[in-house]
Amino acid sequence: QKEVEQDPGPLSVPEGAIVSLNCTYSNSAFQYFMWYRQYSRKGPELLMYTYSSGNKEDGRFTAQVDKSSKYISLFIRDSQPSDSATYLCAMSSYSGGGADGLTFGKGTHLIIQP
Amino acid sequence: GAVVSQHPSWVICKSGTSVKIECRSLDFQATTMFWYRQFPKKSLMLMATSNEGSKATYEQGVEKDKFLINHASLTLSTLTVTSAHPEDSSFYICSVPHHRGLRFTALHFGNGTRLTVT
Repeated sequence: QKEVEQDPGPLSVPEGAIVSLNCTYSNSAFQYFMWYRQYSRKGPELLMYTYSSGNKEDGRFTAQVDKSSKYISLFIRDSQPSDSATYLCAMSSYSGGGADGLTFGKGTHLIIQP
Repeated sequence: GAVVSQHPSWVICKSGTSVKIECRSLDFQATTMFWYRQFPKKSLMLMATSNEGSKATYEQGVEKDKFLINHASLTLSTLTVTSAHPEDSSFYICSVPHHRGLRFTALHFGNGTRLTVT
């Protein structure tokens, strides 16, 4: 079983819909959870960062972490065509820093239809 | 604004030549930077950790003589793909870790370099 599972999509929804993106993981030591957005031919851009379980909201974006189920979600409200991108989840088990402890999902390709 | 600047954004080179990619941390000093490689529809693959003033740490399976990393200052790391071959064609991305005090928060990425070897 891979450490982080993420459906690659593509996920296509109409403009204005609520989008739900998800990742599951197997390593119970993960404590830090991130969502990155990556446009074509660009580097990933940090969208949301959460520590441990719970919800975090930032504008149209809400990140949810359920450590008991090893499941994280990113919700996008009032989706816009400009939200069309690949969304990668990432998680880490410690705060010591560094990419060696950071595990990425493969990314979900999201398409918002005008 | 951008936190990490990466150059060039794309490069085409002939087989056998070497290509240098620069990564600059714009907003803060970085004793550590990271180099990733990304294949289409695949996850980011960590290649190596660049350490300021010392040798880079390479991930298993990554040839250190092929992918030379130099981290000469607190704001600049370079990746040189030596004797490039078509199979080295890929999207290379650098990143800089962001800390608040001693706590790591997240990685900031450059915009990547698309390398095509003909």
